[in-house]
Amino acid sequence: DAGITQSPRYKITETGRQVTLMCHQTWSHSYMFWYRQDLGHGLRLIYYSAAADITDKGEVPDGYVVSRSKTENFPLTLESATRSQTSVYFCASSTVSLPLHFGNGTRLTVT
Amino acid sequence: DQQVKQNSPSLSVQEGRISILNCDYTNSMFDYFLWYKKYPAEGPTFLISISSIKDKNEDGRFTVFLNKSAKHLSLHIVPSQPGDSAVYFCAARAGANNLFFGTGTRLTVIP
Repeated sequence: DAGITQSPRYKITETGRQVTLMCHQTWSHSYMFWYRQDLGHGLRLIYYSAAADITDKGEVPDGYVVSRSKTENFPLTLESATRSQTSVYFCASSTVSLPLHFGNGTRLTVT
Repeated sequence: DQQVKQNSPSLSVQEGRISILNCDYTNSMFDYFLWYKKYPAEGPTFLISISSIKDKNEDGRFTVFLNKSAKHLSLHIVPSQPGDSAVYFCAARAGANNLFFGTGTRLTVIP
């Protein structure tokens, strides 16, 4: 029972580079989410998806792009990374009901 | 602007005593509330939840209380155990399973 997996666990990239964080879930959950965790802010929603090919902006979407061509995958792309995007990123999934189930996160550092 | 607030960044409690974690919210449209627990280098894990139509929900050592008039939520852990030491996040739903999270409270249970 793999659940929800994120890759990579750690990533260091340079300002201006494109980077993609991967998220894969084995539950066939319809909903998937991307959150970032920063000190003093808790977890903030970046994007979410209610089903394949349906995505919506969350609280802090600027600078990020998502896609969901398959139910099980929900990659998050930083098109041109900035230092303010240094954070821990969590992917989550759920059925139409709560709760959300989270992956173990990707720690991203932008230098 | 933080819609869900946890004003205590940290809390220390002796093993066997009660831990009380508090959470305040500002949006009266929130209809569902959850508590998550997070260990270092792991994703948040769901602990307990409560619907806005209830004022109490209990699951073993964990009880969540909701005071809608005060827009206040609390989590009681009795008795506290060293394994409960973690960061606790409260979260509130604003529709489509979108959760707004507080900034977290680090609980330390002293043996």
